[in-house]
Amino acid sequence: SQQGEEDPQALSIQEGENATMNCSYKTSINNLQWYRQNSGRGLVHLILIRSNEREKHSGRLRVTLDTSKKSSSLLITASRAADTASYFCATFLSAGSYQLTFGKGTKLSVIP
Amino acid sequence: DTGVSQNPRHKITKRGQNVTFRCDPISEHNRLYWYRQTLGQGPEFLTYFQNEAQLEKSRLLSDRFSAERPKGSFSTLEIQRTEQGDSAMYLCASSLHRTSGGNEQFFGPGTRLTVL
Repeated sequence: SQQGEEDPQALSIQEGENATMNCSYKTSINNLQWYRQNSGRGLVHLILIRSNEREKHSGRLRVTLDTSKKSSSLLITASRAADTASYFCATFLSAGSYQLTFGKGTKLSVIP
Repeated sequence: DTGVSQNPRHKITKRGQNVTFRCDPISEHNRLYWYRQTLGQGPEFLTYFQNEAQLEKSRLLSDRFSAERPKGSFSTLEIQRTEQGDSAMYLCASSLHRTSGGNEQFFGPGTRLTVL
């Protein structure tokens, strides 16, 4: 079963706009990770946020985590056509498990 | 390129045949993972190894599936008596396990299996 659920399922924006994707998960976590997948580069790790962190930045990416609501968001600022991809959040199944579970993903299309 | 490599990239087989996939992880990585991904879904965990020991297996991994990592380096995933429902992308990932946490997984390009 999949632990995380991304929202929306699909998102289409113009180049230069910001894109926000949300993820909800079910169980307690030590960390939450975001991955990107496109046909050219496969599945790539973007950022990891630990359960004791509320916000983390990496370049044009900003991730927030609200453990009380079991939710996370990924913000991509000043989007580019190259950001077109599917974005997945992922968490470990349970404490002590290394089964990384992914949601169904958000398919982002950035229109030039 | 020293990333994770997988072979073959594509495999077409007839129902009932056996298939074997290979994964070569990043050389210094001690953990290796197998996932399966179908269209429109995220990857689903199958199993993982730390060195040569298989430590976790998903319930998805039926007895027709077997994975090995004999010398703690490359790994093979074999599917026996393939079924049409086995058609999917099979992804391999590796990581360097650290007790401090993190443990980012690096994914290979995948092997796309089509069972006719």
